[in-house]
Amino acid sequence: SAVISQKPSRDICQRGTSLTIQCQVDSQVTMMFWYRQQPGQSLTLIATANQGSEATYESGFVIDKFPISRPNLTFSTLTVSNMSPEDSSIYLCSVDGGSTDTQYFGPGTRLTVL
Amino acid sequence: GIQVEQSPPDLILQEGANSTLRCNFSDSVNNLQWFHQNPWGQLINLFYIPSGTKQNGRLSATTVATERYSLLYISSSQTTDSGVYFCAVGRGSNYKLTFGKGTLLTVNP
Repeated sequence: SAVISQKPSRDICQRGTSLTIQCQVDSQVTMMFWYRQQPGQSLTLIATANQGSEATYESGFVIDKFPISRPNLTFSTLTVSNMSPEDSSIYLCSVDGGSTDTQYFGPGTRLTVL
Repeated sequence: GIQVEQSPPDLILQEGANSTLRCNFSDSVNNLQWFHQNPWGQLINLFYIPSGTKQNGRLSATTVATERYSLLYISSSQTTDSGVYFCAVGRGSNYKLTFGKGTLLTVNP
């Protein structure tokens, strides 16, 4: 199984600012995913990040709001730009387990926007 | 896109009781996973089960792909089983998952 860490674990930010969330995996993985979990809700996929290519965004999410980097096979960042209180959520990264097809999740970043 | 419905939305049990959680999905899938989100927000993968039956300790799961549903069984529940149980499904080879809304389980001592 993959061990995933995220930084920061939580943050409180002001409206209009941006926050970059880091996701680090202890092994090389092909695909990394970013999810958003709004308060009391389920998880919604934001984008898929493959190393060496542009991220693929799901309907309702755009690169200008959620730019993603994937510089190598063990690391990715998600930036939440020009934040508003509606962006208050838990942001989670995950990776595919390769041959096991199991998906593993990081501990999440709890973001509160005031 | 594919729809995932979970039932019941909430469940309260006494320690030691058994329970069954259900996941219905609207189309054929080749990926189905059950997750437990603990009260601290951490998501733990319980089963990868696109078809068939698996068991892991007090937990077991069955997916009947032809009828588009999956069941998660929890036996002899413990307070540490509390949290939200999510079913997530996927199609194709891109590993993208669509999550249901979850079942909030509370196990009282």
